Amino acid sequence: KAGVTQTPRYLIKTRGQQVTLSCSPISGHRSVSWYQQTPGQGLQFLFEYFSETQRNKGNFPGRFSGRQFSNSRSEMNVSTLELGDSALYLCASSRTGGFPTNEKLFFGSGTQLSVL
Amino acid sequence: ELKVEQNPLFLSMQEGKNYTIYCNYSTTSDRLYWYRQDPGKSLESLFVLLSNGAVKQEGRLMASLDTKARLSTLHITAAVHDLSATYFCAVVPGSGTYKYIFGTGTRLKVLA
Repeated sequence: KAGVTQTPRYLIKTRGQQVTLSCSPISGHRSVSWYQQTPGQGLQFLFEYFSETQRNKGNFPGRFSGRQFSNSRSEMNVSTLELGDSALYLCASSRTGGFPTNEKLFFGSGTQLSVL
Repeated sequence: ELKVEQNPLFLSMQEGKNYTIYCNYSTTSDRLYWYRQDPGKSLESLFVLLSNGAVKQEGRLMASLDTKARLSTLHITAAVHDLSATYFCAVVPGSGTYKYIFGTGTRLKVLA
């Protein structure tokens, strides 16, 4: 079956702009989470959605937001882009987001965002 | 705040050699995951460890978990070039949370 799909694969933006990234989870998966990956900070949790509700949020400023639609697809938005927002943004899906306890995350290929 | 540390951060080893990657975490967690990431690619799940003393093996990789010491190890046996990748451990800080806290990653390079 199809894996987690993220679009676009690459993005180049300038400071001050905003950006929207998209994630389509594996069919049947209702949990979608987002992670930011940078060489300096590693993988950091942004937020997690399940059935259109945000259940957890990481320590990121309010410029980072997300949402989930009824078909489980998710988008994340970053407003007023800063140079430090340049990163690989990874989306992951699972059936329930962590329960039963042996559930693992399935990651997409990510969106590489460059802010100039 | 839960912290997850891995060591070493970088590892260069010869084919055929054995080595261990360590993952330490700072607070109680009821499960631990190992992932692999190839350059420019996404993360691929390797193992899920759920209880103290759990051991999982797949090919040349074996992972174990000691919840009392808050330590997991990923042991590589007779390394081959195809194992070159970055390896991450991740923990979930307690039941009822849905975020995975990833370790710093260990970049492994296996030399022919």
